[in-house]
Amino acid sequence: QVQLQESGPGLVKPSETLSLTCTVSGYSISSGYYWGWIRQPPGKGLEWIGSIYHSGSTYYNPSLKSRVTISVDTSKNQFSLKLSSVTAADTAVYYCARDRGDYSFYFDYWGQGTLVTVSS
Amino acid sequence: QSVLTQPPSVSGAPGQRVTISCTGSSSNIGAGYDVHWYQQLPGTAPKLLIYGNSNRPSGVPDRFSGSKSGTSASLAISGLQAEDEADYYCQSYDSSLSGYVFGTGTKVTVL
Repeated sequence: QVQLQESGPGLVKPSETLSLTCTVSGYSISSGYYWGWIRQPPGKGLEWIGSIYHSGSTYYNPSLKSRVTISVDTSKNQFSLKLSSVTAADTAVYYCARDRGDYSFYFDYWGQGTLVTVSS
Repeated sequence: QSVLTQPPSVSGAPGQRVTISCTGSSSNIGAGYDVHWYQQLPGTAPKLLIYGNSNRPSGVPDRFSGSKSGTSASLAISGLQAEDEADYYCQSYDSSLSGYVFGTGTKVTVL
């Protein structure tokens, strides 16, 4: 069974960089598939942030592209998200998920999510 | 910046059938990209409910069904149960945005 778990600081100061890591178990990232990040502001809907292929190629939401970096570490079976110059509008629950961009563009396994609050 | 529109809420009595619409455009659903549906129970992560317009992952009851036509898609829940109370989101791919798009979300209430 594929499982994903997000980790990282729950509080980030405005203008700083948000950093999260997703650890995958039950499947080796180097075996294939894309891996993505999605966020959900409190009480609001879902927004795709970006995804990375196991080889390292990335694609990002155009509205966030200038501030987002997603990377992968196959040796640790992890992938990571960095979002720079954060503001209160970036406060959200951040989810990592397996991205079936190889097939039909959907997310089949999700992490439980982690709340990141942007505040001084 | 949702580009897929859903009704904010739908409701029904136990045992009834409810449907949720998802309206897109010629750059996403109308371009032939598949529609997928997620169920988000209160306080939990979204769960894949329907993929590829009408396919159910293993373990999803056949009370849930999906369809797609033109620039829209629908999720139907038949034999509504109390445990179906949740938020439901559609999702597709948009060629003009070159990325994934989600619907605005629909809250299902069981009366």
